[in-house]
Amino acid sequence: SAVISQKPSRDICQRGTSLTIQCQVDSQVTMMFWYRQQPGQSLTLIATANQGSEATYESGFVIDKFPISRPNLTFSTLTVSNMSPEDSSIYLCSVRGVSSYEQYFGPGTRLTVT
Amino acid sequence: RKEVEQDPGPFNVPEGATVAFNCTYSNSASQSFFWYRQDCRKEPKLLMSVYSSGNEDGRFTAQLNRASQYISLLIRDSKLSDSATYLCVVNDRTSGTYKYIFGTGTRLKVLA
Repeated sequence: SAVISQKPSRDICQRGTSLTIQCQVDSQVTMMFWYRQQPGQSLTLIATANQGSEATYESGFVIDKFPISRPNLTFSTLTVSNMSPEDSSIYLCSVRGVSSYEQYFGPGTRLTVT
Repeated sequence: RKEVEQDPGPFNVPEGATVAFNCTYSNSASQSFFWYRQDCRKEPKLLMSVYSSGNEDGRFTAQLNRASQYISLLIRDSKLSDSATYLCVVNDRTSGTYKYIFGTGTRLKVLA
């Protein structure tokens, strides 16, 4: 399985500001995803990060709020823009295995918006 | 109906017990199925994929029933370290996308 790192691991941000989360994988992967996990909830897919093109967003998530970049096959960023307390959550990057449909997760970024 | 449904639990069982979780999914076109384990304040970790023929990994056995659209996970000889939330995941590959849908998870507490 791939080794995935995320930065920052946690942050406390003020309302109205933006935070960019980085996801780095130790090998090239075809598919990268961004999820959100709110307290006590399961994971919700935000978007699929596409290399060299715009991300594919799920219903309820928009590019203006969650811009995503994926400049190459090992790196992606998710920005949480104009944050409000409702954005307090854990944000997880994941990748799909090269030769299987299994998915592996980064350690997550714990975001608190005050 | 939710796309993937699980009993949230918690299931409180003594050490050494056998415990089973079920998960139902709504899309009959779903093609890949997984169980993940998530410890408190950690990321989900893949426990096992679920194959049509069923599969076993040590104390863990997963089964798939496509006709009834459910997946099960059996844990034998429970250990304290098995305490976690178990997430059922279904991969829908309709329309050429690879969307993974997570259940809400079943909490397991193994008691000494």
